[in-house]
Amino acid sequence: DGGITQSPKYLFRKEGQNVTLSCEQNLNHDAMYWYRQDPGQGLRLIYYSQIVNDFQKGDIAEGYSVSREKKESFPLTVTSAQKNPTAFYLCASSRTTNSPLHFGNGTRLTVT
Amino acid sequence: RKEVEQDPGPFNVPEGATVAFNCTYSNSASQSFFWYRQDCRKEPKLLMSVYSSGNEDGRFTAQLNRASQYISLLIRDSKLSDSATYLCVVNLGGSNFNKFYFGSGTKLNVKP
Repeated sequence: DGGITQSPKYLFRKEGQNVTLSCEQNLNHDAMYWYRQDPGQGLRLIYYSQIVNDFQKGDIAEGYSVSREKKESFPLTVTSAQKNPTAFYLCASSRTTNSPLHFGNGTRLTVT
Repeated sequence: RKEVEQDPGPFNVPEGATVAFNCTYSNSASQSFFWYRQDCRKEPKLLMSVYSSGNEDGRFTAQLNRASQYISLLIRDSKLSDSATYLCVVNLGGSNFNKFYFGSGTKLNVKP
């Protein structure tokens, strides 16, 4: 079955360390996204990519970085510059026009 | 003003009840509309797309009112397993296909 795989499911890090969250999809979707969800809040866009080797900042990109070297993969690095990194991170993909988002199962990051 | 607004609830209903959620959106250029279901500490999953003429999937009916800029979700014969948070999602489409806006979700509790 096609889908999106995020790993790991849970991640614990000390403050000041960079950490990379993995996202792989086999849906052959061109567009991929990273969202952050905090308790009681809607999803907020961190970065998105419409095509390999191209990506754009979303609404809350500060303290994050991404790469898109392959169509299937869109890893997210949470850097030490991100002030409040503890959150639920969701990777998603979509075809282009008028199609819904498909989400991975998420990574819950805790930074202490 | 938020792009997408939903009543956060919770809606507490008995099994077998009919319950309706509304969602309003601010951008009249929005082209695609979706309802997602999110269980506690899990990723959002697509429940149904919302079409201009309204559409039904089993016990679920979605409607779109472009003039008043709202979408609705009706759940008939509620089951315990329907307990979840329901997210309203709006997409601008066209060249802005990557612009998805999320409501904060409406929590539904179905009780025996």
